Amino acid sequence: DTEVTQTPKHLVMGMTNKKSLKCEQHMGHRAMYWYKQKAKKPPELMFVYSYEKLSINESVPSRFSPECPNSSLLNLHLHALQPEDSALYLCASSQDRSGPRREQYFGPGTRLTVT
Amino acid sequence: AQTVTQSQPEMSVQEAETVTLSCTYDTSESDYYLFWYKQPPSRQMILVIRQEAYKQQNATENRFSVNFQKAAKSFSLKISDSQLGDAAMYFCAFAGGTSYGKLTFGQGTILTVHP
Repeated sequence: DTEVTQTPKHLVMGMTNKKSLKCEQHMGHRAMYWYKQKAKKPPELMFVYSYEKLSINESVPSRFSPECPNSSLLNLHLHALQPEDSALYLCASSQDRSGPRREQYFGPGTRLTVT
Repeated sequence: AQTVTQSQPEMSVQEAETVTLSCTYDTSESDYYLFWYKQPPSRQMILVIRQEAYKQQNATENRFSVNFQKAAKSFSLKISDSQLGDAAMYFCAFAGGTSYGKLTFGQGTILTVHP
């Protein structure tokens, strides 16, 4: 089973709202990732968690706040977003960040619209 | 820094025919991994095939195979017996031995399959 689940599927939020995106995997993977994807573009890496600790932050604005409560769950907290933050947010996981089992498995994404 | 180039923004193929998608990359690393991902219009990114740089044998997965030319830094994807369900955006991706979770994506190729 290579399933990564994400909720919600769609989210519309105003610029003053606070919302959270959720990602879950039950494959025993120890690395989890957040990506932002604009239409017809490749995903852009935002954050990498390894063994529940933040290991990479790609200079993401502080209005995006990741959290990894346990090895299966990854959240992305959103606050005071801008319209240009509207995008598809993808979560991914891999067995590890390095070594031969580093291929990433992606969730279906959350389509975020900021109004 | 690594770069991945997909020189074909769009490709089309007739159902049951064969199509090849091109990907070249540039790196100074000797240990790395290459991937092809498929993202259908329903948006979930799916891993199609992976190749370890140290393996000379080209990877195959059912109708999907790669032509890995390490010296030329080329990693093309061949889809045989194309099906309507193969229509998608295809991304070539690179993970260096020291990338620790970072995938470098190409810009993608949109594949259209004609019945």
